[in-house]
Amino acid sequence: DQQVKQNSPSLSVQEGRISILNCDYTNSMFDYFLWYKKYPAEGPTFLISISSIKDKNEDGRFTVFLNKSAKHLSLHIVPSQPGDSAVYFCAASLEGTYKYIFGTGTRLKVLA
Amino acid sequence: ETGVTQTPRHLVMGMTNKKSLKCEQHLGHNAMYWYKQSAKKPLELMFVYSLEERVENNSVPSRFSPECPNSSHLFLHLHTLQPEDSALYLCASSQEGRTGELFFGEGSRLTVL
Repeated sequence: DQQVKQNSPSLSVQEGRISILNCDYTNSMFDYFLWYKKYPAEGPTFLISISSIKDKNEDGRFTVFLNKSAKHLSLHIVPSQPGDSAVYFCAASLEGTYKYIFGTGTRLKVLA
Repeated sequence: ETGVTQTPRHLVMGMTNKKSLKCEQHLGHNAMYWYKQSAKKPLELMFVYSLEERVENNSVPSRFSPECPNSSHLFLHLHTLQPEDSALYLCASSQEGRTGELFFGEGSRLTVL
């Protein structure tokens, strides 16, 4: 049973517009959520995170929103740039454990 | 050299071979991880070492054998693998095992014939 789900395998967005990537989770005990970005032939790199005590965290063009009641988080990228084209993974973790549970990823393509 | 380095980047092996994947981190972290990435599947946690002790073993078959000789190095020893073990194997490190951020290497692409 997949605890972290990214139901959209791919997304295409025009340059300058907003990209919204979604992630759902099933375990209400998760208390920390992260987004990673992966380019081909490279390892994932950390992008932004959010603790369960917050509902929003912003870093430049990237904002993560957390809706605990819906067990849903989303990553907003605005404005989207061609260099943002990559696979985005969301991950969730439990306080006091070493387990980071990842989703299957969403491939974002930003069209110039 | 900085970050997390994995070697080899690509490995092709037969089912009867024995090989090893190596990971080295230069970040001063004290926890290291092996993840497996198969096509269209989530990243799967295989092993976690904290302060050189294995703290997580996620029901991984015994044909995968990890080794952590010190806090900077992590190995994954492979023997009698199956074709379905072909995947991208990612090493990661973090500080104290849980600070909200994993630093990944570039991965070792394994093909089992």
